Amino acid sequence: AQSVTQLDSQVPVFEEAPVELRCNYSSSVSVYLFWYVQYPNQGLQLLLKYLSGSTLVKGINGFEAEFNKSQTSFHLRKPSVHISDTAEYFCAVSPNAGGTSYGKLTFGQGTILTVHP
Amino acid sequence: DTAVSQTPKYLVTQMGNDKSIKCEQNLGHDTMYWYKQDSKKFLKIMFSYNNKELIINETVPNRFSPKSPDKAHLNLHINSLELGDSAVYFCASSFRTGYGEQYFGPGTRLTVT
Repeated sequence: AQSVTQLDSQVPVFEEAPVELRCNYSSSVSVYLFWYVQYPNQGLQLLLKYLSGSTLVKGINGFEAEFNKSQTSFHLRKPSVHISDTAEYFCAVSPNAGGTSYGKLTFGQGTILTVHP
Repeated sequence: DTAVSQTPKYLVTQMGNDKSIKCEQNLGHDTMYWYKQDSKKFLKIMFSYNNKELIINETVPNRFSPKSPDKAHLNLHINSLELGDSAVYFCASSFRTGYGEQYFGPGTRLTVT
C-alpha cells in the first residue's frame, strides 16, 4: 500500500518569490510520482511526473520537482511564482509494477498555494 | 474539444433518491476512473475500468455502481443517496500502460439535502 503526506496544508507567498511544496511518500513497492494542480472549480491537471532516470523533472508553467529516494520525497519548486499559480497542488504516487493496483493513484491531502501581489 | 467530460456539473438532490453521473472521454484511453473528493479536498479512488472490465474496486458502499458501456464511457449510479455522499466526483481516464498519468474531468458537485 502507498501513502502520501503533503507537509503544508497552506503556503502563502508573494509574487515573484520562490516556493517549495513538500511531499513525502511511503510505499512497499517502487512507485511513479506525480504533481497535479487544481484551479478553483476545475478538475486536476498534470504538472509533472517522475517515472525513472534523472531525479530532477521539469513540468509545465515553470515548475520542477526532485525525487529523493533515500528521503522518499518529491518536493515541488518554482523559482518565481505568479498570481496565476494560486491553486491547490496534489502530490500523488502509483505503483510501477503490474497487478491490479498498477496505475492506481494515491493522493496527498493537497497544499493550497496562495500568491499575493 | 473537451477531453474528459462529465454531466451534470452540479447535482442537488434529496436523501433517498437515486442519481447518475455520466462521463465520456475522447482521448482514446482504455482505462477510466471515478474519484471522490470530500469537503476537505481529499481525493480517493473509487473504481477503475479497463476496456469495460472492473479492475479497481475500493471499499465503497454497494449503493454505488459503476457501469461502462464501452471504453469511452464510465457512468456512476448511486442508489439511496445519503448526506455523506455529498462531495465532488471526478472522472479520469488514462492508458493502462500510462504510468498513472491520468486526465481528469471538471467534476460533478453532488449535494444531498
